[in-house]
Amino acid sequence: DIVMTQSPDSLAVSLGERATINCKSSQSVLYSSNNNDYLAWYQQKPGQPPKLLIYWASTRESGVPDRFSGSGSGTDFTLTISSLQAEDVAVYYCQQYYSTLYTFGQGTKLEIK
Amino acid sequence: QVQLQESGPGLVKPSEALSLTCIVSGGSISSHYWSWIRQPPGKGLEWLGYIYYTGSTNYNPSLKSRVTMSVDTSKNQFSLNLSSATAADTAVYYCARGADWNPGGFDYWGQGTLVTVSS
Repeated sequence: DIVMTQSPDSLAVSLGERATINCKSSQSVLYSSNNNDYLAWYQQKPGQPPKLLIYWASTRESGVPDRFSGSGSGTDFTLTISSLQAEDVAVYYCQQYYSTLYTFGQGTKLEIK
Repeated sequence: QVQLQESGPGLVKPSEALSLTCIVSGGSISSHYWSWIRQPPGKGLEWLGYIYYTGSTNYNPSLKSRVTMSVDTSKNQFSLNLSSATAADTAVYYCARGADWNPGGFDYWGQGTLVTVSS
């Protein structure tokens, strides 16, 4: 299995400030033949299903605000929220789809400071 | 707009089978891969497996031989059966659609249904 490890487990950021969440995979999720990283990010608000934010490590899903961005390659990835809004309070998950045993990180809880 | 809706018993007795159905509306099930994902209360996400409309499946080995998925294209729905349920199977169960760009990305999700395994 590819193990996905996120850091930190929780994070408190002031409104308007930058929030950064990290994700590390136990092996590379970069597919050399197409140079794509098989990594997605999801946002989950209380009582709701996860919502896809980012795929191919840095491609924003349609309708996702541009304050959300993804970066990284290989085994190390970052989700950045450039200017935190109140509605961004949620748990964020990274997920790899390089292996067909799809796995998620443990989640990072983002709160307002 | 594609919508998914899970249905099934909210309470299952230990050792019995947990069975859920996901009805797909707003699009045909005869495309894309369709997954089940679960989330124990207060915990993270676990992918259980997927099924293609042809009936081809891929299951999470952690569930060993307990999981079976099926699809009914005439009803635009797919199902999950998890045998020999234990308390560890208590979770919110989500059905989700595999994205156009890869079956392992999930772009549409159901609202989820809580299944409690208890006598």
